[in-house]
Amino acid sequence: QSALTQPASVSGSPGQSITISCTGTSSDVGGYNSVSWYQQHPGKAPKLMIYEVSNRPSGVPDRFSGSKSGNTASLTISGLQAEDEADYYCNSYTSSSTVVFGGGTKLAVL
Amino acid sequence: QVQLQESGPGLVKPSDTLSLTCGVSGSYISSSKWWGWIRQPPGKGLEWIGHIYYSGSTYYSPSLKSRVTMSVDTSKNQFSLKLSSVTAVDTAVYYCARLYSGSYEAFDIWGQGTLVTVSS
Repeated sequence: QSALTQPASVSGSPGQSITISCTGTSSDVGGYNSVSWYQQHPGKAPKLMIYEVSNRPSGVPDRFSGSKSGNTASLTISGLQAEDEADYYCNSYTSSSTVVFGGGTKLAVL
Repeated sequence: QVQLQESGPGLVKPSDTLSLTCGVSGSYISSSKWWGWIRQPPGKGLEWIGHIYYSGSTYYSPSLKSRVTMSVDTSKNQFSLKLSSVTAVDTAVYYCARLYSGSYEAFDIWGQGTLVTVSS
């Protein structure tokens, strides 16, 4: 299975909105509403931010939202804050009953 | 609250077997959850290794399947990972994690991770 495709980096200014894409195939992202997003700060474990495409776990700010169109899922962060600077990863369930991660996106808050 | 803690050797020799354990606290491992392992080579992205149900059912990454074995010890409330015939490319931070209830892909609780270096 191939890793999901994410942009290597994105950037934005405080207060702005950014979107990170996660592209797969009809055998993973496009085939199931089973896409999650994780935030990872340096030296820390990943933190679940979005699950099942658009659901937020308790405690995650509503500035974080997720969506999906076809084989591409997206994470949008609105009202960007300095503490949002981190690496972001998507993952998806696959038709082989496995899980695949994206390559990760580094978010810079300028 | 549920907490996970990885433990095991930080240095493994090439061709040996990497063995890690994940202790679960704040929850019974048999509480109808799936438990997984994910790794991250230094400076690189996350890679799913596999996950296991408390009953012993498993799903493994196709690229690692021939070398991976996962098991659960309900009496010790822990689950384990064994990766055989390791090489330098297996050097990574290894995380254990819990699959969110009812989810197929969302890991909601993570251990802090443990760095395993493969070197002679």
